Order: sequence, then structure tokens, then C-alpha cells
Amino acid sequence: QVQLVESGGGVVQPGRSLRLSCAASGFSFSNYPMHWVRQAPGKGLEWVTIISYDGSNEHYADSVKGRFIISRDNSKNTLYLQMNSLRPEDTAVYYCARNDPSDYWGQGTLVTVSS
Amino acid sequence: QSVLTQPPSVSGAPGQRVIISCTGSSSNIGANYGVHWYQQLAGAAPKLLIYSNNNRPAGVPDRFSGSKSGTSASLAITGLQAEDEADYYCQSYDNSLSAWVFGGGTKLTVL
Repeated sequence: QVQLVESGGGVVQPGRSLRLSCAASGFSFSNYPMHWVRQAPGKGLEWVTIISYDGSNEHYADSVKGRFIISRDNSKNTLYLQMNSLRPEDTAVYYCARNDPSDYWGQGTLVTVSS
Repeated sequence: QSVLTQPPSVSGAPGQRVIISCTGSSSNIGANYGVHWYQQLAGAAPKLLIYSNNNRPAGVPDRFSGSKSGTSASLAITGLQAEDEADYYCQSYDNSLSAWVFGGGTKLTVL
């Protein structure tokens, strides 16, 4: 069965970096575009970024452009999100999601940006 | 402020029908991009409920249906059940932002 498992979340100080991972299994990972979507505590969903199936194309929300980098390693069935220059407003649960529209989601990993 | 506008909350009694609206503009829903709906139960990840305006993934009951007209879309839920109590989000693509966008979400309460 399709599984997406995020990891790498935690508490980080403003201005620091963090890298999230999303391990995929149960499907041909290299055939699908992948998204990162986040949800601040008590708030709605916010799209963050998408990467094409082969990693050749990426798009970012304005709120993270120039700070976050999405990437993937199809040989390892893993999606990444490199988050730099983190701000308190980046505090959220980060979900990875398969395909467009997103038919499978991980359970999310919590990132807290606080001093 | 979300690019797609949803009512913050709706409610209905068991067995009733409710409709959740999603209002966009000419750069997203009105530009003929598909509208998708997600259900998020408390403490859980979102789940795809309706895709491309009016299609249900396998396993989604036919009590859930979607429609789209002009710059708006709607999610209808008939025969309300207690288990339908959740947050619902619409999503589309916006070509002026070059970004995927969500509505602000609607909390459905089953009375």
C-alpha cells in the first residue's frame, strides 16, 4: 500500500536551517510529482512547493521562495525539503503529498521555529 | 486572506444536505483549472474527497459530490452523518500567482 512518512521536524531557532525528508513506498515514486503542504497550528492548509516526477521542475509559494528548496532522490524513493533562514511564521506541520491533485498524504512532521 | 474563499463554518443535522462553496476568480477556477476538495478529520492528514471538479476517488461515498460554475465551485454532502464532521478545503491552481492555492477551509459541524 502507498505510504509516505515524513521525518526531520523539530524545534529550531529563527534564522537556522532544517531538512525534512519524506520516505515513499508502495508505488513507483519516480512516476509522480510531489508536493509539500504545511498547516500552521489551528490554521488552514498552505501549499509550499511542488517538484516534477524527474526533479527537473520546481515551483514555490512566494512565502518560501528563495529560502526553501525541494528535491528528490528517485533511487532512494525520498523527497526532501531544505528549509533555510527559518522564521517563526514557518512553524507548522509539514505534509508531503503525492501527485496533482494529491491522492496520498503523509501524517506530517511538526516544525517549530522559536528562540 | 486566501485566494479561494470558503465559509468558515457550516452545520446540519444528521440526514440533511449541506453545501460548501468555494469562490475564486478568473485566474484560478474561472481559468478552467480543476477544483479539488479535501476532507481533514480532527488530528489527521487531509484526504482527497473530490478531484477535477466532480470526480470521486475510489472508496469515497456518493453522498459527496462536487460541481463548478464560472469562478465558483461547490461541495455537496447529502445524508449527513456524524463521521462527516471535519474541515473541508477546496484547492485549485492560480496562473497569476503560478501557485497551487487552497481555500481557507470550512468546518462542518453535525448537530
